[in-house]
Amino acid sequence: QLQLQESGPRLVKPSETLSLTCTVSGVSITSSTYHWAWIRQSPGKGLEWVGSLHRGETTYYSPSLRSRVAMSAVTSKKQFSLRLSSVTAADTAVYYCARSYGGLLDSWGQGVLVTVSS
Amino acid sequence: SYVLTQSPSVSVAPGKTATITCGGDNLGHYSVHWYQQKPGQAPVVVIDHDNNRPAGIPERFSGSNSGDTATLTINRVEVGDEADYYCQVWESGSDRLWVFGGGTKLTVL
Repeated sequence: QLQLQESGPRLVKPSETLSLTCTVSGVSITSSTYHWAWIRQSPGKGLEWVGSLHRGETTYYSPSLRSRVAMSAVTSKKQFSLRLSSVTAADTAVYYCARSYGGLLDSWGQGVLVTVSS
Repeated sequence: SYVLTQSPSVSVAPGKTATITCGGDNLGHYSVHWYQQKPGQAPVVVIDHDNNRPAGIPERFSGSNSGDTATLTINRVEVGDEADYYCQVWESGSDRLWVFGGGTKLTVL
C-alpha cells in the first residue's frame, strides 16, 4: 500500500534553506508512470504547487518559486527531497508530498508545518 | 501561467444541493480534478478527470466540465461535507505545471 511521509526541520531561520524529504513506500519513485510532487499551504490559505520530479531526475517547478527551488531523489531509499533557499516568513506553510498520476494528485502525505522564524 | 478561479465560499442547508464552480480559459480542454480538505487534514480526491468518482466517494458527489467552467455538485449535502474544495488541472506540455484554484469553503448551515 502506498504511503508518503514528510520529514525535516520544523523551524528554519530567515534567509536559510528549507530542506524536506518525502519517503515513499509501496511503489518505485523511478517509474515513468508517476510524478512526485511537493505542494504547500500557508496558514489559512489555499494549496500551492511547488514542484514535481519525474523518474527521479526530471524536475518541474512553479514559475513563482523556480529561482529558489530544487528537487532531487535518492532512488535506492525511495526518497525525494525539496530544498527552498532564501526563505522568508512567507514560506511558512504546511508542506505536503504527493504522488501524481497523469496530473492527478492521488496520494498525499500527512503534511509537515515548517515555520520560518528567527 | 494558467489561472483557475473559484468563489471563496458557498453556503447550503443540509439536504440541499451545493454547486461549486471553477473557471478557466477553455477549461473544457483540460481534465479537472477536485479535492476536499477538512481542517488539519491532507486533501482527498473526490472527483477526478472531470466526472470520475474514486472508490469510497459517495454517489452524492459529481462533476462536469465544459467551456470555461467546471462544476462540482454535491447532492443531499450533509454536515460532514463541510470543507474546503479545490479544483486542479495539469498542463502537460514540455514545461509541466500543476495548477490549483483558490479554493471554495463549503459551509453547511
